[in-house]
Amino acid sequence: DIQMTQSPSSLSASVGDRVTITCRASQSISSSLNWYQQKPGKAPKLLIYVASFVQSGVPSRFSGSGSGTDFTLTISSLQPEDFATYYCQQSYNTPQTFGQGTKVEIK
Amino acid sequence: EVQLVESGGGLVQPGRSLRLSCTASGFTFGDYVMSWIRQAPGKGLEWVGFIKTKPYGGTTEYAASVKGRFTISRDDSKSIAYLQMNSLKTEDTAVYYCARAYDYGDYWGQGTLVTVSS
Repeated sequence: DIQMTQSPSSLSASVGDRVTITCRASQSISSSLNWYQQKPGKAPKLLIYVASFVQSGVPSRFSGSGSGTDFTLTISSLQPEDFATYYCQQSYNTPQTFGQGTKVEIK
Repeated sequence: EVQLVESGGGLVQPGRSLRLSCTASGFTFGDYVMSWIRQAPGKGLEWVGFIKTKPYGGTTEYAASVKGRFTISRDDSKSIAYLQMNSLKTEDTAVYYCARAYDYGDYWGQGTLVTVSS
């Protein structure tokens, strides 16, 4: 199985900060990498698919990059509604696997 | 508007069975792969499996942790995906989500809680 490792596991940031979350795959997954946002008690929401494509309706402050084994989710200017847990997911092969999550908290 | 609504969750004893349903609306259900993903309390997301469309044989794939115990099926005439869960274990306790997903899940249901406990 492909292991997905996110870093950091949690971070504290202020409104307006630039935030970067990384995701590393245990083997090359080409660009088959997605990012989701999850708020407490809610279903995950797709932010980024195929590494760098922003899902319709997602604010432009969210961006994704990377290929192969190393990927990044960037929030250019953190907003109050962005405090949540973020997960990466590889869909290169089955079983599809998720990172352990990164919790973004208010500083 | 695309909607996915899970149902069928609840409290069940270890070793028993439960069937979850995912009722879809707002899109041509038969054109999409449907996936199940679960989340144990306070934990991360775990892919359970998916079912492909009929043109692709309606084939299924599963996580090792559920293979042989869980079965995903679909009824395209009713726009419903099912997750049949047999021989349930306490570690299957989780919120179960269905998603319209193959390469990525663009729509998810609200989830249904399954608690496996004696």
